Amino acid sequence: NAGVTQTPKFQVLKTGQSMTLQCAQDMNHEYMSWYRQDPGMGLRLIHYSVGAGITDQGEVPNGYNVSRSTTEDFPLRLLSAAPSQTSVYFCASTRDRGSGNTIYFGEGSWLTVV
Amino acid sequence: KQEVTQIPAALSVPEGENLVLNCSFTDSAIYNLQWFRQDPGKGLTSLLLIQSSQREQTSGRLNASLDKSSGRSTLYIAASQPGDSATYLCAVPISSGSARQLTFGSGTQLTVLP
Repeated sequence: NAGVTQTPKFQVLKTGQSMTLQCAQDMNHEYMSWYRQDPGMGLRLIHYSVGAGITDQGEVPNGYNVSRSTTEDFPLRLLSAAPSQTSVYFCASTRDRGSGNTIYFGEGSWLTVV
Repeated sequence: KQEVTQIPAALSVPEGENLVLNCSFTDSAIYNLQWFRQDPGKGLTSLLLIQSSQREQTSGRLNASLDKSSGRSTLYIAASQPGDSATYLCAVPISSGSARQLTFGSGTQLTVLP
């Protein structure tokens, strides 16, 4: 059971480039989300999805786009990378919106924008 | 807007010592509170989840308490070991609208010295 898998692990982008961070889970979870983690700031929610075809914005959605065409996959797209998007990105999933469910995180994607 | 604070930001203790990590939140209308562990270069692992109706949860040497009225939670680690060295984060729902969108504290970096 692989859990939540993120790729790539590390990426360097030039300002203005676009890219997609991939996230896949094999637990048939309804709920998936993307967070970014910056030093001293904890994790902040970027976008989330409550099921295939349904996505919504979190706290810091600007500059990012998501889609959810399947239950398993939830890619995060950077439309035009900026140095402010240098961060560690985490994908997470949980069974549903119930308050008692464990949330599972991927191992993170380290992104540097130069 | 929910805000979560963790104090101290870093803590160093000798092996075998009992210790307490603190977490405070501003909006007491929460579904639950979760404690996570993060190892360097890794994702987050859920340690304990306390439902809003509960006062505490225990798992092995870990005990988490919740006092909604005062907006506080503590994570007690008994008989600390070097393997407990990691960053510990607490998280609560962003708002009363969803149990799964989380607001994180910035974490306490724990070092247990052999």
